[in-house]
Amino acid sequence: EPEVTQTPSHQVTQMGQEVILRCVPISNHLYFYWYRQILGQKVEFLVSFYNNEISEKSEIFDDQFSVERPDGSNFTLKIRSTKLEDSAMYFCASSEWDSINHNEQFFGPGTRLTVL
Amino acid sequence: AQKVTQAQTEISVVEKEDVTLDCVYETRDTTYYLFWYKQPPSGELVFLIRRNSFDEQNEISGRYSWNFQKSTSSFNFTITASQVVDSAVYFCALSEIAGGGADGLTFGKGTHLIIQP
Repeated sequence: EPEVTQTPSHQVTQMGQEVILRCVPISNHLYFYWYRQILGQKVEFLVSFYNNEISEKSEIFDDQFSVERPDGSNFTLKIRSTKLEDSAMYFCASSEWDSINHNEQFFGPGTRLTVL
Repeated sequence: AQKVTQAQTEISVVEKEDVTLDCVYETRDTTYYLFWYKQPPSGELVFLIRRNSFDEQNEISGRYSWNFQKSTSSFNFTITASQVVDSAVYFCALSEIAGGGADGLTFGKGTHLIIQP
């Protein structure tokens, strides 16, 4: 069964450093998403991406964040200068959005980011 | 703005008991989707069900059942004859339909379900 994959599973970085989180969405999906879950809290939407551009973004997704689809398979989230409060689990998701599978988002296993 | 409320932070029951997880939502949209996801201790998010606002039929899948009531803006989830493997955090979520696939999900804070042997 196809699945969303994410690498690395755990990333540790120093405050102020740039990090890139990687995702490989399901191959025939057209919509891609990033979510964040601070430990013990709810999952929060960051951004959605379609047709090589950002479709929607939340207030959390400020200038420190960017997303990119550098090739036909990867989808990345970059945090330019990490802060302590960026420590969280980051989930990538993808969906195909058709008349049957409306917005059924499949989530990857997550990348745990720890900022020291 | 959309909002999902899961008032039960934690529920603990003994195995084989039935348990209902509550979800109340707010949205100004007339068309929307509701979801339930399971997050086991390993951390991944497992899709359980999607329901659109046009379809108020209740759904049953094995030991799981969902009760959608538009009149009370609720989408409750019942596990019948609970098992230890059901122990997890369960999230209710909401998304618009009008925005197409671009809309992110709005999640509730989750209910931590503990099934004791």
